[in-house]
Amino acid sequence: DAEITQSPRHKITETGRQVTLACHQTWNHNNMFWYRQDLGHGLRLIHYSYGVHDTNKGEVSDGYSVSRSNTEDLPLTLESAASSQTSVYFCASSESPGGTDTQYFGPGTRLTVL
Amino acid sequence: SQQGEEDPQALSIQEGENATMNCSYKTSINNLQWYRQNSGRGLVHLILIRSNEREKHSGRLRVTLDTSKKSSSLLITASRAADTASYFCATKGGGSGNTGKLIFGQGTTLQVKP
Repeated sequence: DAEITQSPRHKITETGRQVTLACHQTWNHNNMFWYRQDLGHGLRLIHYSYGVHDTNKGEVSDGYSVSRSNTEDLPLTLESAASSQTSVYFCASSESPGGTDTQYFGPGTRLTVL
Repeated sequence: SQQGEEDPQALSIQEGENATMNCSYKTSINNLQWYRQNSGRGLVHLILIRSNEREKHSGRLRVTLDTSKKSSSLLITASRAADTASYFCATKGGGSGNTGKLIFGQGTTLQVKP
């Protein structure tokens, strides 16, 4: 069955370190998204991609970067982790624009920055 | 800015009762979707209603859409303890500038007591 996976599921790191969160989907979807979820803020879009080599900034992109070298993967990198980036991160994918844009979510990565 | 605003933020009911959650949005939409999130898990798509539809049913779920009021409601009938979760509405923008993104509300937390 097609799925979307994230790794690691839990990560503790220190301020200033570079961290990369992995997202892998087997839906063959063109669209992929990264969100962070914090109490009181719901889901906030960090970055998204509509296909290979395409990346776009979301509403809270500062301090984060993504790259899309193939259809299946969209890794999220925190260049220099800050305590404010402690959060739960979700990756999602959907078919190309023009459809319903229903999104399929991964299980999430809980990141703690000390 | 948030497109969807859910109401209430939290809801606690007894098993067997009905649960109603509301979502308001600000701009024109192509469709509105409801998602469920169990504690510690990713979001799961429940049901989608298109802008030209007024009501949709799926099992114990009933969704209504009032585009004149820019609002939607999700009714869960005969609730079960397993329905305990957070529920989010998400909107896909209307018009030719559709970008493939969904805008999520902040969610309603539902607790169903056995």
